[in-house]
Amino acid sequence: AQSVTQLDSHVSVSEGTPVLLRCNYSSSYSPSLFWYVQHPNKGLQLLLKYTSAATLVKGINGFEAEFKKSETSFHLTKPSAHMSDAAEYFCVVSAEGSGGYQKVTFGIGTKLQVIP
Amino acid sequence: DAGVTQSPTHLIKTRGQQVTLRCSPKSGHDTVSWYQQALGQGPQFIFQYYEEEERQRGNFPDRFSGHQFPNYSSELNVNALLLGDSALYLCASSLTYYEQYFGPGTRLTVT
Repeated sequence: AQSVTQLDSHVSVSEGTPVLLRCNYSSSYSPSLFWYVQHPNKGLQLLLKYTSAATLVKGINGFEAEFKKSETSFHLTKPSAHMSDAAEYFCVVSAEGSGGYQKVTFGIGTKLQVIP
Repeated sequence: DAGVTQSPTHLIKTRGQQVTLRCSPKSGHDTVSWYQQALGQGPQFIFQYYEEEERQRGNFPDRFSGHQFPNYSSELNVNALLLGDSALYLCASSLTYYEQYFGPGTRLTVT
């Protein structure tokens, strides 16, 4: 079975303070993990990805995430929030499913609010 | 280089009608996946097309069907529309399965 749990549906931070969006996953196989961002009325943009290389992954716009196998976590962080970071963030797991194809599962999303 | 494009942007249909949504993949991509995103939810995988064939399918009824053309563009068809089909429909293209590029989506409203 494969699943993704985003632990917070809403996160609110002040501009200039750190951001932490939490994600736990479950997968029977070695997964690839992704974070996507979705601004209002827009499609999804890839922030960063983990595909079994370095466990600390750096993405666009100053975001990074650390893959922790022992904790089955892939939390997204940013040292200093900017107003433009206000959006919805999705954690995604991709691993081999039935038929040998990759199965992709999205979390339910975390809405990030940035307060000026 | 154009990214993934989708048409139309918005669509309003009545229960029982049929709808066709269209997607053009990013240049060089040969695989297209379709997702349904209901309000307040994460995207749910509908199906994926590769080499003009449906390669895998999520947990959606047969009312949802698709097609991929030789130029890799794709259509999503939904028959006998239900109110619950109202959602944002996202198309994603990829060259490998690991990294998908998403279009802006088509907002379907069923009344």
